[in-house]
Amino acid sequence: QKEVEQDPGPLSVPEGAIVSLNCTYSNSAFQYFMWYRQYSRKGPELLMYTYSSGNKEDGRFTAQVDKSSKYISLFIRDSQPSDSATYLCAPGGATNKLIFGTGTLLAVQP
Amino acid sequence: DVKVTQSSRYLVKRTGEKVFLECVQDMDHENMFWYRQDPGLGLRLIYFSYDVKMKEKGDIPEGYSVSREKKERFSLILESASTNQTSMYLCASSTRGRALQETQYFGPGTRLLVL
Repeated sequence: QKEVEQDPGPLSVPEGAIVSLNCTYSNSAFQYFMWYRQYSRKGPELLMYTYSSGNKEDGRFTAQVDKSSKYISLFIRDSQPSDSATYLCAPGGATNKLIFGTGTLLAVQP
Repeated sequence: DVKVTQSSRYLVKRTGEKVFLECVQDMDHENMFWYRQDPGLGLRLIYFSYDVKMKEKGDIPEGYSVSREKKERFSLILESASTNQTSMYLCASSTRGRALQETQYFGPGTRLLVL
């Protein structure tokens, strides 16, 4: 069983839609939960992170963690074509490195 | 702004060649990482370094070695390139915090094709 599972997509939505991206993880020792965004032909960049269960909001983005069910979500409100990218979840804190999900490819259609 | 640069965006090498991938960061970060990224497999850690001349194996170190002689530079070496090492290689760096999970800043990647 992989430590982090993420639906690879692709996920195609119309502009303005609410997007939900999800990951599950198996190691209850994870303490940090990060989301990276990767545009085509670029390296990943940190989008959001949280250290605890609950929600964290940053503009149109909300990161949600449910440690009891080992479930991580990223919500994007009012999605824009510029949000089209691969989104990678990355929990960490169980060992001395991050564990990246495989990434979900999102396409927002104008 | 943190900048992580990688020596090449695209490389084509032949089987058996020795390949050097260079990574330089300009933010005085202690930690540096090398990943490879493959479709369906995501990012996999090859090696990381938390100080000059220090290195630790990641999840898939076989067929690779690394060198960190200066704080800003971390090199990945493919001793004898093989076709299964065709991949996107990403370098990252981070500062030292409570753990190695401090934000990692990535370079643009090197797309390596081994023929």
